[in-house]
Amino acid sequence: ETGVTQSPTHLIKTRGQQVTLRCSSQSGHNTVSWYQQALGQGPQFIFQYYREEENGRGNFPPRFSGLQFPNYSSELNVNALELDDSALYLCASSLVGRDEQFFGPGTRLTVL
Amino acid sequence: GENVEQHPSTLSVQEGDSAVIKCTYSDSASNYFPWYKQELGKRPQLIIDIRSNVGEKKDQRIAVTLNKTAKHFSLHITETQPEDSAVYFCAASPNSGYALNFGKGTSLLVTP
Repeated sequence: ETGVTQSPTHLIKTRGQQVTLRCSSQSGHNTVSWYQQALGQGPQFIFQYYREEENGRGNFPPRFSGLQFPNYSSELNVNALELDDSALYLCASSLVGRDEQFFGPGTRLTVL
Repeated sequence: GENVEQHPSTLSVQEGDSAVIKCTYSDSASNYFPWYKQELGKRPQLIIDIRSNVGEKKDQRIAVTLNKTAKHFSLHITETQPEDSAVYFCAASPNSGYALNFGKGTSLLVTP
């Protein structure tokens, strides 16, 4: 059984640019959630995908968008990057109807 | 929305002592309460969780208690070891596998 993987591990962008982060869910998991973790804070829920549809969203603006593919992998896209978008972006996979969410190692995004 | 408060923000104990971390939540609909351990530069790892129909759960040196009436839950670590040093996050969720609302974390240091 493979765990959750994310790419890239680190990324540096400038203000106004766009970024795409990728997540492969744990084998057999069909639900992916994305979280933003600012330095010294707990993760904050961005959105969740199930069956390639957004299944709930946290308090993040529309420039944060996502996709889920038939193999359950997922992308997080952020447009018009702002300095405050600098954070660790975590994805977590789970089985629909099950409580446990398992996190990937994260992508560290730095916006200059 | 759900608001999860976590205390203390830092905790230092001697090896062998017990450590207790407390969380409160605001949404009475929350019914799933996981605890995650995050070592520096690593992914959050699920260490124990509890559902609202259970008052206490134990796994070796780790236990979690839940008081639904008071809307608080606690993590208890007994016989602490230096490798327990990490940041611990509590979280609450109203639905299985849905958005986790995290506390701000407790940095636990276990000194030999």
